[in-house]
Amino acid sequence: GQQVMQIPQYQHVQEGEDFTTYCNSSTTLSNIQWYKQRPGGHPVFLIQLVKSGEVKKQKRLTFQFGEAKKNSSLHITATQTTDVGTYFCAGRGAGSYQLTFGKGTKLSVIP
Amino acid sequence: GAVVSQHPSWVICKSGTSVKIECRSLDFQATTMFWYRQFPKQSLMLMATSNEGSKATYEQGVEKDKFLINHASLTLSTLTVTSAHPEDSSFYICSASPGTADTGELFFGEGSRLTVL
Repeated sequence: GQQVMQIPQYQHVQEGEDFTTYCNSSTTLSNIQWYKQRPGGHPVFLIQLVKSGEVKKQKRLTFQFGEAKKNSSLHITATQTTDVGTYFCAGRGAGSYQLTFGKGTKLSVIP
Repeated sequence: GAVVSQHPSWVICKSGTSVKIECRSLDFQATTMFWYRQFPKQSLMLMATSNEGSKATYEQGVEKDKFLINHASLTLSTLTVTSAHPEDSSFYICSASPGTADTGELFFGEGSRLTVL
């Protein structure tokens, strides 16, 4: 079945440093989504990428979808303490409604 | 955005009892809802896909007689953990999408933390 691998599992950064998490799928995806889960909370949708090579920005967050639609990344510029949480990617295979979640990257920001 | 409500948020029960968790889409209709289990510091594990008016589709390794899912209406799905044991203690989360089945973003409930004594 479809597998989505996400690295790193943990990342500790100093406030103001950049942060990147990467996702790789074993199969070609129709779309990929990113979610953020704050400690003790539930996942919250951030963005969806659909097109090959797509790049989307949300303030300090930059999301990319690979040309082959098998990998994606989330980059945060100049992290802030409010960025703390676990970031999950979730990929959807062609013709499927089911999302497969990566294991997530837990981001800690040291003030 | 769309709202998915989950109840209860916390539940503590004795071993052997059954616990029902409700998942409601408050401002949209959902023919499909998803149930996940999340262990501490781990990712979301899809347990089953709940289909309105028909049987749920369970993921491999998930006991359907243990985790009963009912999707009686377009806004409500329930997960019943039957004869709960301590190893069933976990964070259970539901999700639903108001969009099309293959492109819509998921909205998650707040989650239900189950502790079985």
